[in-house]
Amino acid sequence: LAKTTQPISMDSYEGQEVNITCSHNNIATNDYITWYQQFPSQGPRFIIQGYKTKVTNEVASLFIPADRKSSTLSLPRVSLSDTAVYYCLVARAPAGANNLFFGTGTRLTVIP
Amino acid sequence: DGGITQSPKYLFRKEGQNVTLSCEQNLNHDAMYWYRQDPGQGLRLIYYSQIVNDFQKGDIAEGYSVSREKKESFPLTVTSAQKNPTAFYLCASSIGQKPNEQYFGPGTRLTVT
Repeated sequence: LAKTTQPISMDSYEGQEVNITCSHNNIATNDYITWYQQFPSQGPRFIIQGYKTKVTNEVASLFIPADRKSSTLSLPRVSLSDTAVYYCLVARAPAGANNLFFGTGTRLTVIP
Repeated sequence: DGGITQSPKYLFRKEGQNVTLSCEQNLNHDAMYWYRQDPGQGLRLIYYSQIVNDFQKGDIAEGYSVSREKKESFPLTVTSAQKNPTAFYLCASSIGQKPNEQYFGPGTRLTVT
């Protein structure tokens, strides 16, 4: 089973780059990795997804090493509004109770 | 304007009563999901449905039931058998072959006293 593990919390100063890592040692060949952002009392919001190597969009980058046993979400120059909980998800199709694994989340606090 | 709606935002019930949480989507997604989130905890899968009239139990299905009579709707009933029903409930949907790209609703906070 592709259990996912994340650090519980991280602090960062405004303007710094933040890297959050998720471990998924038992990831399967067809699994994809996705990261979500969640603010209090709201539903998670999709940030970025990837399968291997590096993916970049307008808000973040995702680094996945060749063995795919971990992934790192990189947030460039964080601001106070990036304070949230970040979850990694390892999932594959067809979806099912045994093919979908959310991490426990990393609470990022951005300090002025 | 496409999206997922959950209603109500806040729900209060007395212990021993069944309660149904609504989830509707107009994204034309085949797959829908229900998650439970407790304070400071991650998301735990309750039920999953890939198509109409089909659903599978997740990690914590005991005390919950669902139906999927329409593609757009996936209501969750929290029964009196659920021992600790107070939580934040999240509904999500995705294209059937892309469970990693889930779109979430705003959530319903259920308080049972």
